[in-house]
Amino acid sequence: AQSVTQLGSHVSVSEGALVLLRCNYSSSVPPYLFWYVQYPNQGLQLLLKYTTGATLVKGINGFEAEFKKSETSFHLTKPSAHMSDAAEYFCAVSTHSGSARQLTFGSGTQLTVLP
Amino acid sequence: EAGVTQFPSHSVIEKGQTVTLRCDPISGHDNLYWYRRVMGKEIKFLLHFVKESKQDESGMPNNRFLAERTGGTYSTLKVQPAELEDSGVYFCASSPYLGSQGTFYEQYFGPGTRLTVT
Repeated sequence: AQSVTQLGSHVSVSEGALVLLRCNYSSSVPPYLFWYVQYPNQGLQLLLKYTTGATLVKGINGFEAEFKKSETSFHLTKPSAHMSDAAEYFCAVSTHSGSARQLTFGSGTQLTVLP
Repeated sequence: EAGVTQFPSHSVIEKGQTVTLRCDPISGHDNLYWYRRVMGKEIKFLLHFVKESKQDESGMPNNRFLAERTGGTYSTLKVQPAELEDSGVYFCASSPYLGSQGTFYEQYFGPGTRLTVT
């Protein structure tokens, strides 16, 4: 069984400040890890993913995340927040094995960027 | 290339009525997934089609929910009869064929259907 915990349902940062959204996962097998973003009235968009290889992954819009197996974490960061980053962010986990690849999501973090 | 589309975008129905949600995946995508987000909770998996076959329906909440995927193209999710707790946003996602080695492919999500049961 897999699970995802996102710490903080709401996070506020000032424009230009560091963005840090936390995600911890639980998985009995090596995971695939994802961050999705949902802008208002839009579908979920993949920001970045970790499957295998380099543990620091870079995504779109300047976001990156680091897979830390020892800490079972996959925190999302961006050095400098922009007003357009305001959205809801979801961390998700999937498995490598089997033919069913459903995603298990965290409860989401609403990011507010203050001017 | 058109993305995943869902219809309707919003639906308001009374308890006991029937509602049918539709999802059109990206053309050529064999895998189709349904997810649901109940207010304030996490997005949860409902079921997974590979072409027209149900690969995994372990997330379907009860037998009031019926999903179909005719000819391996679009999919419908029917709720009959609807209950108050069925309110939420229903997402559809699609991805290409996984292949025998289980190659990873991204799931592409639609904008969701917001269902309100009153």
